[in-house]
Amino acid sequence: AQTVTQSQPEMSVQEAETVTLSCTYDTSESDYYLFWYKQPPSRQMILVIRQEAYKQQNATENRFSVNFQKAAKSFSLKISDSQLGDAAMYFCAYRSDPRNSGNTPLVFGKGTRLSVIA
Amino acid sequence: GAVVSQHPSRVICKSGTSVKIECRSLDFQATTMFWYRQFPKQSLMLMATSNEGSKATYEQGVEKDKFLINHASLTLSTLTVTSAHPEDSSFYICSARLAGQLNSPLHFGNGTRLTVT
Repeated sequence: AQTVTQSQPEMSVQEAETVTLSCTYDTSESDYYLFWYKQPPSRQMILVIRQEAYKQQNATENRFSVNFQKAAKSFSLKISDSQLGDAAMYFCAYRSDPRNSGNTPLVFGKGTRLSVIA
Repeated sequence: GAVVSQHPSRVICKSGTSVKIECRSLDFQATTMFWYRQFPKQSLMLMATSNEGSKATYEQGVEKDKFLINHASLTLSTLTVTSAHPEDSSFYICSARLAGQLNSPLHFGNGTRLTVT
């Protein structure tokens, strides 16, 4: 079974600084997708960024970027120019889809609580 | 963008009663929906995969007779917690993916906070 590990239960960053959240995963699949979700106190799950495993180029979305190391099964999230609104729980998630059926669920890590210090 | 509506957002019920939670895809069709459960300060744990027109697939350890899932249409899945007990108190979140868009991301509802007294 696939597993996702987030080894940092809590992280903090000064406003305007950069922080990196770690994520590793275990899988025997070659085709899969990786995601970072943000969950603010409202509990709404917000997609931050996604990465297809077949793509070598690291995904970026404005201030958010990932460092995808497929051989090491590592998928870290870098938040640049941190803002107070970035404070939330961040979940790393994995989805395999070997038959390209579209009906496979996300497997989540335990999350990292990010605090942003003004 | 794709919107998933989940209702109710909060519910308090007495032990022994049943509670139904609805998950609707408002502007798209979803052949598959997923139900997750999240305890305080913990991650989302998959409970079941709901497929339109067929029986749901439950994860190991999830009682199918206690958590009844019905996915009768392409836009609606319901989760009924039967004979609820205080240990069923949790945050329940549904998610859906656009039918026919295999690589599209999951869209999440806003969740339902269930409190059983």
